[in-house]
Amino acid sequence: SQQGEEDPQALSIQEGENATMNCSYKTSINNLQWYRQNSGRGLVHLILIRSNEREKHSGRLRVTLDTSKKSSSLLITASRAADTASYFCATEGVQAGTALIFGKGTTLSVSS
Amino acid sequence: DAGITQSPRHKVTETGTPVTLRCHQTENHRYMYWYRQDPGHGLRLIHYSYGVKDTDKGEVSDGYSVSRSKTEDFLLTLESATSSQTSVYFCANTPSPNTEAFFGQGTRLTVV
Repeated sequence: SQQGEEDPQALSIQEGENATMNCSYKTSINNLQWYRQNSGRGLVHLILIRSNEREKHSGRLRVTLDTSKKSSSLLITASRAADTASYFCATEGVQAGTALIFGKGTTLSVSS
Repeated sequence: DAGITQSPRHKVTETGTPVTLRCHQTENHRYMYWYRQDPGHGLRLIHYSYGVKDTDKGEVSDGYSVSRSKTEDFLLTLESATSSQTSVYFCANTPSPNTEAFFGQGTRLTVV
């Protein structure tokens, strides 16, 4: 079964608002990553947070990680119409050579 | 995109025929992955490779085989295509654990 589960499945907001997406996972991890996918395109890496980190920022993105709750959140501040996309969390397990396991994603729609 | 090229980009094939999808990288990253993406399921891992001739199964490996005879190419074969294998297939690579993954643009496969 899939490791990560994003919540909500879909999110609609207005430009300028903040968007928060959550990810829960099941087993111990080395890191958790967030990816973005525009319709019909490949995935693009946004941010990686290691298991010993609690918060990370990149531009308008803020990611938190709570390993005790096995959960992460992605906050996009001051959303723009161009942020409209699907967002996926992915986890890398602690065993050497383990692959990235993705969740089902959150579809974000930002209207102007 | 770490120089990942997937071919073909689109393919329509008949049930029962063998199909091979190719993933070619120019960066010589050690790890390569094949995922399939279906509505409601996000990305699911099919097979992955952690070196030449070193491969392992993912969550949805039944009906698929892979080969990696050289660093730059990772082939995914559907031995006898079924309609349930209609999907968008993505290849990805990473240079090492704890690093971001780079994705190809995807192959849309339709089995009729």
